[in-house]
Amino acid sequence: AQSVAQPEDQVNVAEGNPLTVKCTYSVSGNPYLFWYVQYPNRGLQFLLKYITGDNLVKGSYGFEAEFNKSQTSFHLKKPSALVSDSALYFCAVRYSGNTPLVFGKGTRLSVIA
Amino acid sequence: EAGVAQSPRYKIIEKRQSVAFWCNPISGHATLYWYQQILGQGPKLLIQFQNNGVVDDSQLPKDRFSAERLKGVDSTLKIQPAKLEDSAVYLCASSLGMGPGNQPQHFGDGTRLSIL
Repeated sequence: AQSVAQPEDQVNVAEGNPLTVKCTYSVSGNPYLFWYVQYPNRGLQFLLKYITGDNLVKGSYGFEAEFNKSQTSFHLKKPSALVSDSALYFCAVRYSGNTPLVFGKGTRLSVIA
Repeated sequence: EAGVAQSPRYKIIEKRQSVAFWCNPISGHATLYWYQQILGQGPKLLIQFQNNGVVDDSQLPKDRFSAERLKGVDSTLKIQPAKLEDSAVYLCASSLGMGPGNQPQHFGDGTRLSIL
């Protein structure tokens, strides 16, 4: 069964420092991987998606994600964190257009000024 | 473009009462999803529609939950009767279609349901 794991409940980083939010996925075929962000009392906003062949994916608001097939990971990164990046981040996976999108439990990012 | 619209934003009811949520997807989006997000967890798919047909409702508690998308546009999700464990945020999302698996889903702001 497809699944994703976000091993960290909380990530704290100082403003201006690089940030990484981790995600690993279960191995089963070629996955479609996504990152979403959720601000308080709002729905999820799409940040970026993995497209086969591009190991480094660039997305919205300066975020990028690195796909690593050997480690089955799709970590979210940003070179310089902003206080406004503080939010809940979800990794999600699906294996075809006909299968449900399965979300991780989320990682709360806190950027401290 | 206008985003996914949901109403109401908040609802408080007592257990065993009924409640309904409404969703209007992005114009032209054929696929519509309802998710349940319990506090501290990621969203869990309840039901997926393609136009007005159900694609996946395997995780919908059919003894109490129902959903419809009669004209392939707006959708309603109903809970009857509600239980305490139904307290959650109910998110609606839409996407263009069921083609490649890398089509992103666009979410509404959700309805926060509290059961007393």
